[in-house]
Amino acid sequence: SQQGEEDPQALSIQEGENATMNCSYKTSINNLQWYRQNSGRGLVHLILIRSNEREKHSGRLRVTLDTSKKSSSLLITASRAADTASYFCATVLIQGAQKLVFGQGTRLTINP
Amino acid sequence: GAGVSQSPSNKVTEKGKDVELRCDPISGHTALYWYRQSLGQGLEFLIYFQGNSAPDKSGLPSDRFSAERTGGSVSTLTIQRTQQEDSAVYLCASSRLAGGYGKNIQYFGAGTRLSVL
Repeated sequence: SQQGEEDPQALSIQEGENATMNCSYKTSINNLQWYRQNSGRGLVHLILIRSNEREKHSGRLRVTLDTSKKSSSLLITASRAADTASYFCATVLIQGAQKLVFGQGTRLTINP
Repeated sequence: GAGVSQSPSNKVTEKGKDVELRCDPISGHTALYWYRQSLGQGLEFLIYFQGNSAPDKSGLPSDRFSAERTGGSVSTLTIQRTQQEDSAVYLCASSRLAGGYGKNIQYFGAGTRLSVL
């Protein structure tokens, strides 16, 4: 079964607004990653946050991690039409290989 | 090549036929992963290779699915006697580091869209 739940399943906002997506997971993790997928094909890595980190920034992206609540959020500031895509959180568990366990994803639409 | 290459990009087959999906990882990446993405099940892990060995095959859904990797590079995912529920996008990823604690950024190919009629 999937490790993560993502919220919301779909989000539609106006260009220039900020977009926030949330992810929850069930078991202890080594790290949590966010990926973007365009047109239902390959995924692109966006950002990785380790279990001992609480916040991380990369350009217009900000990721937070709360291990006590087993949750993470991805904030995209000043959204652009090109940010339209599906966003997935993925966890790497402490036990086992480095496989990614994905959430169900959030479909983000940026309206011009 | 610069990225992970998968072939074919699309495959249409008849129920009961065997199919082979190919993945060329990024040169120098020792770890290789297969995932499957379908409408009902989301993104699921199938199998993980470290070099030519597969320490984690836990995601393979049945014994009709198998995979191999040769020369620490190219991998082939084989589905025998395909069923309609096998229809999905099969994604391959590779990474430089695997095992233990630490970073594992995976680089994905564009996937193979398999349609079983």
